[in-house]
Amino acid sequence: QVQLVQSGAEVKKPGASVKVSCKASGCTFTDCRIDWVRQAPGQGLEWMGWINPYTGVAYYAQKFQDRVTMTSDTSITAAYMELSGLDSDDTATYFCARDHWGTFEDWGQGTLVTVSS
Amino acid sequence: DVVLTQSPLSLAVPLGQPASISCRSGQSLVHSDGHTHLSWFQQRPGQSPRRLMCRVSNRDSGVPDRFSGSGSGTDFTLKISRVEAEDVGFYFCMQGTHWPYTFGQGTKLEIK
Repeated sequence: QVQLVQSGAEVKKPGASVKVSCKASGCTFTDCRIDWVRQAPGQGLEWMGWINPYTGVAYYAQKFQDRVTMTSDTSITAAYMELSGLDSDDTATYFCARDHWGTFEDWGQGTLVTVSS
Repeated sequence: DVVLTQSPLSLAVPLGQPASISCRSGQSLVHSDGHTHLSWFQQRPGQSPRRLMCRVSNRDSGVPDRFSGSGSGTDFTLKISRVEAEDVGFYFCMQGTHWPYTFGQGTKLEIK
């Protein structure tokens, strides 16, 4: 059973950066690609990109390419998503999810990021 | 990007009655591997999404058999044979065939 545990809620000022963590347990080398998805309040889901925590290879959605960095710590099977240049439109719940053959089998509990002056 | 259009966007159904949600894609979701990577997710209020169905019609473990998925190519449907109170929430389709992955807008299911 794969579990994804995310870091806690954040409040940031416009222009700042935020870094959200996602610790995975129960994954093996070949089946633990982690995707990041966000959901603005009352809105739908938006895919941001993915990272393989074991190799560090990442792929970003074009919309976020200039502002997002996804990294990993292989020693603890953790993935991180850092988003810079925050503005109010980035206020959302950020989810990590385990990507397995084009679907999301497991999800983290979500991290609420609030951008407010 | 592949656009997924869900309908209806909201649905109020009496307990015990059926419900149906449509998800239409702007292009075929058949992957070169032969599979159709269309999934359905349920999101109850205040919770993370939970996968109900992958590859169109493969129900996840623990998902009641009153949920079923069907369709092919560009047209897909999630059906609930008899709505129960615990089914209240948002339902999303997602395609994992083409990059970037995309989601439908979501359908809000309420009890009438």
